[in-house]
Amino acid sequence: DGGITQSPKYLFRKEGQNVTLSCEQNLNHDAMYWYRQDPGQGLRLIYYSQIVNDFQKGDIAEGYSVSREKKESFPLTVTSAQKNPTAFYLCASSGHRTAEDQPQHFGDGTRLSIL
Amino acid sequence: RKEVEQDPGPFNVPEGATVAFNCTYSNSASQSFFWYRQDCRKEPKLLMSVYSSGNEDGRFTAQLNRASQYISLLIRDSKLSDSATYLCVVNRGHNFNKFYFGSGTKLNVKP
Repeated sequence: DGGITQSPKYLFRKEGQNVTLSCEQNLNHDAMYWYRQDPGQGLRLIYYSQIVNDFQKGDIAEGYSVSREKKESFPLTVTSAQKNPTAFYLCASSGHRTAEDQPQHFGDGTRLSIL
Repeated sequence: RKEVEQDPGPFNVPEGATVAFNCTYSNSASQSFFWYRQDCRKEPKLLMSVYSSGNEDGRFTAQLNRASQYISLLIRDSKLSDSATYLCVVNRGHNFNKFYFGSGTKLNVKP
């Protein structure tokens, strides 16, 4: 079945540590996205990528980094510069980068907490 | 002003009731519109796209009013399983496939 796979489901970070969240999709989608959701809040865009080897900052990119070396993969690194990383992280993808009528599809998320 | 605004609720309704949510968007260049459902501690899931002529999927009806820049979702004959947060999503287009999410409207359907 086609879909988006995020791993791990739960992740704990120590102070000063960088951690990487994995996102893989087999939907052949061009565009991929990372969002952060805090309890009781809406989704906030961290980074997005419309095409391989290109990505753009979203609204809250500070303390995060991404890469897009392959169409299927869009890993997110939460660096030690992100002082409040505890949140629910959601990866999404959507079809062709110019196809506005195609919705986003989400992975089932990674919950990150500080130890 | 936020790109997409929704009443956070909660809307508390009895089973069998009809309930409607509205959502407004600020940018008239917005091209595509969607409703998502998000259960507690889960990922958002696409409920339905919203088309200019309005569209229906079973008990759910979505409407778009471009002139007033709002979209609506009507749920008829509410079920307990409809309890969730409903997210309004807007896509502004032309080589810029970026989505804007409302903060969601919480629905509680009571027995």
